Amino acid sequence: DVKVTQSSRYLVKRTGEKVFLECVQDMDHENMFWYRQDPGLGLRLIYFSYDVKMKEKGDIPEGYSVSREKKERFSLILESASTNQTSMYLCASSQTGPPYEQYFGPGTRLTVT
Amino acid sequence: AQSVSQHNHHVILSEAASLELGCNYSYGGTVNLFWYVQYPGQHLQLLLKYFSGDPLVKGIKGFEAEFIKSKFSFNLRKPSVQWSDTAEYFCASGGGGYQKVTFGTGTKLQVIP
Repeated sequence: DVKVTQSSRYLVKRTGEKVFLECVQDMDHENMFWYRQDPGLGLRLIYFSYDVKMKEKGDIPEGYSVSREKKERFSLILESASTNQTSMYLCASSQTGPPYEQYFGPGTRLTVT
Repeated sequence: AQSVSQHNHHVILSEAASLELGCNYSYGGTVNLFWYVQYPGQHLQLLLKYFSGDPLVKGIKGFEAEFIKSKFSFNLRKPSVQWSDTAEYFCASGGGGYQKVTFGTGTKLQVIP
């Protein structure tokens, strides 16, 4: 079974702090994704990566950056956390090639106070 | 940019009732379509997917969906729901490179025993 793990289930940070969210997948997938999930808004793509050291902006990249130094690991960085970044963050991975289904981690609920 | 519309935000059904959740996508090219489900407290998991071939797709737990290209629709159906189907359901479409997927805003299904 594909496994996607995220470093924390719950995280509380203060405004202005730098926040790191880590994601690891064990299926040698090329593609990795970071989403945020908010009630009524569904999942919105923040960044994705299709190879090591490669990244592309998603729909809402402002205030975020990412790092992919190894194939299995994809990190989301909040340079200076703000209260409007309080959300559920989901990591996903997929292989390159059909059927392109994504496998999700359990999510990190981040609260910024 | 691609978009996915889910018409129902919150659906309440009694057990044994039939279910149909609407989904429309905007991408005009070759499209991959998915329904994901998120049970309370659990991570997102794939319910079913359409990549090519038979437009009537069967998934897990008795769910099915029909791809109607002329209507840009991929509605989810189940003939008889159970209390355990209480969850949030997300429709998603992909296509256009790097297997990016666009999610709808989700439909919360509540099944009353």
